[in-house]
Amino acid sequence: KAGVTQTPRYLIKTRGQQVTLSCSPISGHRSVSWYQQTPGQGLQFLFEYFSETQRNKGNFPGRFSGRQFSNSRSEMNVSTLELGDSALYLCASRFRTVKLAGGSGELFFGEGSRLTVL
Amino acid sequence: QQPVQSPQAVILREGEDAVINCSSSKALYSVHWYRQKHGEAPVFLMILLKGGEQKGHDKISASFNEKKQQSSLYLTASQLSYSGTYFCGTLDQTGANNLFFGTGTRLTVIP
Repeated sequence: KAGVTQTPRYLIKTRGQQVTLSCSPISGHRSVSWYQQTPGQGLQFLFEYFSETQRNKGNFPGRFSGRQFSNSRSEMNVSTLELGDSALYLCASRFRTVKLAGGSGELFFGEGSRLTVL
Repeated sequence: QQPVQSPQAVILREGEDAVINCSSSKALYSVHWYRQKHGEAPVFLMILLKGGEQKGHDKISASFNEKKQQSSLYLTASQLSYSGTYFCGTLDQTGANNLFFGTGTRLTVIP
């Protein structure tokens, strides 16, 4: 079974530009979550999509957005990039939302997309 | 909503034990533990549901005290392969529908 695939793995952008990151979940998984990982901040929740609908959103500005397609693939977009957006962006998939799973169920993470903003 | 982990970092010699703590200000539904090795994706270790259960994974076990909204991860007789950053993720009972992760505990095991 193929794992979670994220593309691109590395990218460099300059301030003010925008970026789109892609995530292909494990086959059959309908929930995709996005996390931002920076040193000292750990994993910060961005949003979760399930069946093409955004179910939850973390405390990030509106510059951060996402969507999910009918095949469960997901994209996240960051507009007007700032230096502080430099981070590893992790995508994780699961069969259904953690709440629907009664608080249980495993998240499968991709290796991430490392974004550097200059 | 982000749980608090302690310690932030710990260095062990092979064979030593360690405890990593995770606490939340919210009533918790479940606690999830993950380990991330350098340059790799986080990997699932175990989940503890409310009820005060304890679980084990090889020589790694965990407990969940739902009254105190705390969980502890116990690493016994540590091996070099245990090195990595450990994250706890919590699902609280306020209606939030996603996991919030702590800032992580960096564990280094040396020979």
